Amino acid sequence: EDQVTQSPEALRLQEGESSSLNCSYTVSGLRGLFWYRQDPGKGPEFLFTLYSAGEEKEKERLKATLTKKESFLHITAPKPEDSATYLCAVQAGDSGYALNFGKGTSLLVTP
Amino acid sequence: DSGVTQTPKHLITATGQRVTLRCSPRSGDLSVYWYQQSLDQGLQFLIQYYNGEERAKGNILERFSAQQFPDLHSELNLSSLELGDSALYFCASSPPQGSTQYFGPGTRLTVL
Repeated sequence: EDQVTQSPEALRLQEGESSSLNCSYTVSGLRGLFWYRQDPGKGPEFLFTLYSAGEEKEKERLKATLTKKESFLHITAPKPEDSATYLCAVQAGDSGYALNFGKGTSLLVTP
Repeated sequence: DSGVTQTPKHLITATGQRVTLRCSPRSGDLSVYWYQQSLDQGLQFLIQYYNGEERAKGNILERFSAQQFPDLHSELNLSSLELGDSALYFCASSPPQGSTQYFGPGTRLTVL
């Protein structure tokens, strides 16, 4: 059975304090790994798609990387507006295009 | 703004009732997906439609059904509602040749 585990569940950072969020996965036939940002009561906002091990993508202060077993979302010099829940999801070959989500990491960045 | 619209934003109803949630995908997208998000379960895939045809089913209860119409909008019907059905319901869409899903703002369902 496909599994997606995110850690930590919650993370508190000071503004400017860089860190990484982890997403470990077990799937048969990875089609893609996705990162989303979700603000309270809102829909998930797409950030990145990664397709193969070694791939990296960047957007502003965020950088996503992928290995055969896990993905990292690196946040460099975060600002308070980066506070949100970050969700990781996998799309596996045996489940069509459905996304299997982890429980998320709740990030709080304080001034 | 993802371009996916959902109505209504909020819905409050009683146990045993039936409701319909509506979703309009982004222009040009043929696939529509429905997800349920509750506090204890996280985001769970319910069902996918592609150009009017059911394509994949997830953890969707028999009391729930969906359809996609010729104009590509989709409706999720929830019947015989129970307290445990209270959740956020999201619709997402994806382009014909792409795998990335873009989510709508959601419908918050409260069953009293």
